[in-house]
Parts: sequence; C-alpha cells; structure tokens
Amino acid sequence: GAVVSQHPSRVICKSGTSVKIECRSLDFQATTMFWYRQFPKQSLMLMATSNEGSKATYEQGVEKDKFLINHASLTLSTLTVTSAHPEDSSFYICSARVGGRVQETQYFGPGTRLLVL
Amino acid sequence: SQQGEEDPQALSIQEGENATMNCSYKTSINNLQWYRQNSGRGLVHLILIRSNEREKHSGRLRVTLDTSKKSSSLLITASRAADTASYFCATAYRESNSGYALNFGKGTSLLVTP
Repeated sequence: GAVVSQHPSRVICKSGTSVKIECRSLDFQATTMFWYRQFPKQSLMLMATSNEGSKATYEQGVEKDKFLINHASLTLSTLTVTSAHPEDSSFYICSARVGGRVQETQYFGPGTRLLVL
Repeated sequence: SQQGEEDPQALSIQEGENATMNCSYKTSINNLQWYRQNSGRGLVHLILIRSNEREKHSGRLRVTLDTSKKSSSLLITASRAADTASYFCATAYRESNSGYALNFGKGTSLLVTP
C-alpha cells in the first residue's frame, strides 16, 4: 500500500523557537495533503489542506501565520510551527491523497509528537 | 462540518469475543470510513462504505450504514489482542473545489485481553 512518512517523529523545543515537520509520500504522488492535530485521547482535528503549488486552505480557528504550510512538490509538504508555545504541544499527523474524488483513500503518516517546553 | 460521534468511548473485551462500535453523524454524507490508530501512531484505513451501501465486509470486519438514522457500526469478530487500538469513524465532506476532507469522530478505545 501507499506509504507516507513524517520527520521528525518526535521533537522537543524551547518556547519561542520554530519547528518544521516534513510529510512525504514515498511511493506515490499526492496532489493533496492534509495536516491534522490530535490532543491526548481526542480525535483528529483538521488544520489545513494543501494542494501542490497553491496556498493552503486553513480551517476556521487555525492561524495561518503560526502554522506555515508549504506543498512545493507532489511528494512533500511541510508544516512549520512558528514561535512555538507550550499550548502547541500536540501530535501532528499528515495524510496524503492522490486525487480529488471523494472515494480516494487518505494515507496517513505515523505522526510527529511535539513538546514545547 | 459534521462531527462523527462514536460509542462506546472505551470497550474492554476478551480474545475471541466480538467488538461492536457505533458512530453517528449529523448531516448528509457521501461515504463513511473507519480507521484504526495504535497508541501514539498514525491512522490505518480499514474500510469505506458509500452512502448507497448498507453493509460491507472485509476479513473479520463488518460495517453497516443506516443513512436514515445517520449511524454506522463496526463489528470486529473473533477479536485478538492485536486488535487493541483506537477506532475512528470519519465522514467525507467537500472542502473545496479540489476535493473532499475527512471529519473524524472522537473514537472508541478498544482493549482486547488475552
């Protein structure tokens, strides 16, 4: 099946620093990638949708200047948490989809656990 | 957006027993999907059922969909300890002209003991 990787898998940083998380589709080209956030024992909340070569679409309540998303190629999307604060500590998961049909399966990465001290 | 709601929130059973999880949603859907998440890991797609389907099987998994009640159920038969995980339902909604996004429910945490 399709494989999506994330790097790093775990990151600890100091408050005020920026953290970049990479999401790669390893064996397919993803026209669309999604970024989710998951707090402990809670569901995944969609943060933004990014299509290759265009600006990301952010969900209501997600600050686009804080969570910078770049989808520069069909196999790579990055999420940068700028000026991270402890409340940004969470599990960030990306997913990738080949096409735009509603039946298209999303393939999820293994997630990145961010801890901001 | 529409938020799926699973119940129960937590389920504990013994190996060999069947596990049933339910999901309810609020508005019309095109399809409903079930995912599995092992602790601290990413999600694995289990099964997709379209709005015009009522039941679907995949191995030990059986999914039903009742669009009149806006609900779905996931049945895992002959459960194994390796089935221990969180299970989420997700409904697809149109997020832009480019396609659909998923709205996830809160999940059911399943524990299967040997």
